[in-house]
Amino acid sequence: GAGVSQTPSNKVTEKGKYVELRCDPISGHTALYWYRQSLGQGPEFLIYFQGTGAADDSGLPNDRFFAVRPEGSVSTLKIQRTERGDSAVYLCASSFLAGASYNEQFFGPGTRLTVL
Amino acid sequence: GDSVTQMEGPVTLSEEAFLTINCTYTATGYPSLFWYVQYPGEGLQLLLKATKADDKGSNKGFEATYRKETTSFHLEKGSVQVSDSAVYFCALNKGNFNKFYFGSGTKLNVKP
Repeated sequence: GAGVSQTPSNKVTEKGKYVELRCDPISGHTALYWYRQSLGQGPEFLIYFQGTGAADDSGLPNDRFFAVRPEGSVSTLKIQRTERGDSAVYLCASSFLAGASYNEQFFGPGTRLTVL
Repeated sequence: GDSVTQMEGPVTLSEEAFLTINCTYTATGYPSLFWYVQYPGEGLQLLLKATKADDKGSNKGFEATYRKETTSFHLEKGSVQVSDSAVYFCALNKGNFNKFYFGSGTKLNVKP
């Protein structure tokens, strides 16, 4: 079946612009996660949705970052007034059910964001 | 806070050599431990996991044992192949499995 998909695969923008990154989780997965992976580093947790609500947004670096999941499926990560330090690969993952020992997270290929 | 430290790469080995990638963790409570792999051009994939102390996770010839006394989860494989060339990430997760803490990754290059 289809895995987690993310669009666009690459996004180049200018400092100060607004960007939206989209994630389509695996059908039926109730939990969705966003991570940020800077060059040479491991993924860093940003936010987690259970259904439509953000259950944990403790990883969002500041109020320029926001994410939504209005219908409990597709999610959009929104970054306002982008800065060069926002350049990274943004990863999305989904899982069938959070809070269980079998909760494997399936990762998408990522969106590479470059802020010039 | 919770964190994972893994050996820096790249690690370069010849085919059929023995592999060890070290991983240690810092966490309160009782985390679950994971190894994820990222092949070139692909997304992260779960390689193996262990959910409690002394558990051994294994998959595709890779093994790792959850050692609470040394707070370690080292990845091993007895005989690597060229197809094992990838970046390997150690990670931990606690409680309700809602977020992972990843190490910085170790790149493995296997030469024929």
